[in-house]
Amino acid sequence: GAVVSQHPSRVICKSGTSVKIECRSLDFQATTMFWYRQFPKQSLMLMATSNEGSKATYEQGVEKDKFLINHASLTLSTLTVTSAHPEDSSFYICSARDPRHLPGYTFGSGTRLTVV
Amino acid sequence: SQQGEEDPQALSIQEGENATMNCSYKTSINNLQWYRQNSGRGLVHLILIRSNEREKHSGRLRVTLDTSKKSSSLLITASRAADTASYFCATPDRGSTLGRLYFGRGTQLTVWP
Repeated sequence: GAVVSQHPSRVICKSGTSVKIECRSLDFQATTMFWYRQFPKQSLMLMATSNEGSKATYEQGVEKDKFLINHASLTLSTLTVTSAHPEDSSFYICSARDPRHLPGYTFGSGTRLTVV
Repeated sequence: SQQGEEDPQALSIQEGENATMNCSYKTSINNLQWYRQNSGRGLVHLILIRSNEREKHSGRLRVTLDTSKKSSSLLITASRAADTASYFCATPDRGSTLGRLYFGRGTQLTVWP
């Protein structure tokens, strides 16, 4: 079946630095990927939709300059948290759309970001 | 914005018992999906039910859908300790071609051995 690899699984960074998270579809081409944020014991909040070769579509309230998304190839989307602050600490999960098979969404294993 | 809302938020049962989780959503849908998330991990798809279906089974899972009430339920029969996880319903955004998937708040299920 479809496999999505997300890296790193955990990262600790200092306030003010930037962190890049990668999401790769390993055995299929994903023209569309999604980035979610999840706080402890809460649901997944959709941040943005990443489309290969075009600008990402951000959900209302998500800062575009804070969360930079790049989808440069059909198998890779990256989320960069710029000038990270402790309040950016969270669990970030990516998902890739694979319309070949229902349900058509495959999720990465998530990245735990801690900003100190 | 979130589409689905689950209840209960937390459910604690003994092994062998059945677990029922409910989900309500706000807008019309093409399908509704249920996912499982182990602590600190990604999501695993469990089952999808289309808007023209009323009930669907997969192993120990039974899902119902009532489009008139905009609600769905997930039943796990004969629960096991390994079923301990968070369960989310999700609905695709029907209003755009982006294919966005929106999640409910989730139910944290704990199954005691």
